[in-house]
Amino acid sequence: GDSVTQMEGPVTLSEEAFLTINCTYTATGYPSLFWYVQYPGEGLQLLLKATKADDKGSNKGFEATYRKETTSFHLEKGSVQVSDSAVYFCALSGVGGTSYGKLTFGQGTILTVHP
Amino acid sequence: ETGVTQTPRHLVMGMTNKKSLKCEQHLGHNAMYWYKQSAKKPLELMFVYNFKEQTENNSVPSRFSPECPNSSHLFLHLHTLQPEDSALYLCASSQPKRLVEQFFGPGTRLTVL
Repeated sequence: GDSVTQMEGPVTLSEEAFLTINCTYTATGYPSLFWYVQYPGEGLQLLLKATKADDKGSNKGFEATYRKETTSFHLEKGSVQVSDSAVYFCALSGVGGTSYGKLTFGQGTILTVHP
Repeated sequence: ETGVTQTPRHLVMGMTNKKSLKCEQHLGHNAMYWYKQSAKKPLELMFVYNFKEQTENNSVPSRFSPECPNSSHLFLHLHTLQPEDSALYLCASSQPKRLVEQFFGPGTRLTVL
């Protein structure tokens, strides 16, 4: 079945540092890939997405590129802010299964940014 | 504004109580989901509804009973819960097709005493 693996956290950075959160996946065919963010006390918000190979999703300074050859979708940001402190989830929507619209999530990575 | 609302936002209940969680989406979607998010555990998919029909039940105990009266509303009825059921319960919706994103509500923080 489909699966998503994220780098273990927590990740702790200083403000303006470079961020990378690794995500790799296993799926048949060509899934769509997503990054979600969860701020403290809130639900998940879609941060960015990519629907085909070599697509780059971007939003709020975050970027991720759909790499079919390495089955990866790593999240990057050039300069993090304290307000980026949150939990980040990598997810995919595949072509198999019986339920339409179902997502497979990674375990989440906690990011803490210090001033 | 996510378009998915959940009530109540916080709920404290005893093990013998009966309560219900409500989810409403204003996005015109026809697929809805319940997730459980516990501390230090991965996000757990509980139930999936496509066009008001339940298409997945991931071995959820019968003390959790979902109801989907129409494509815009989803309920989770709770009875005789256990303290380990304390968690954040998230509702989501999407178009009922593959390769699309889901939209989440803010969640209900449930505490079982």
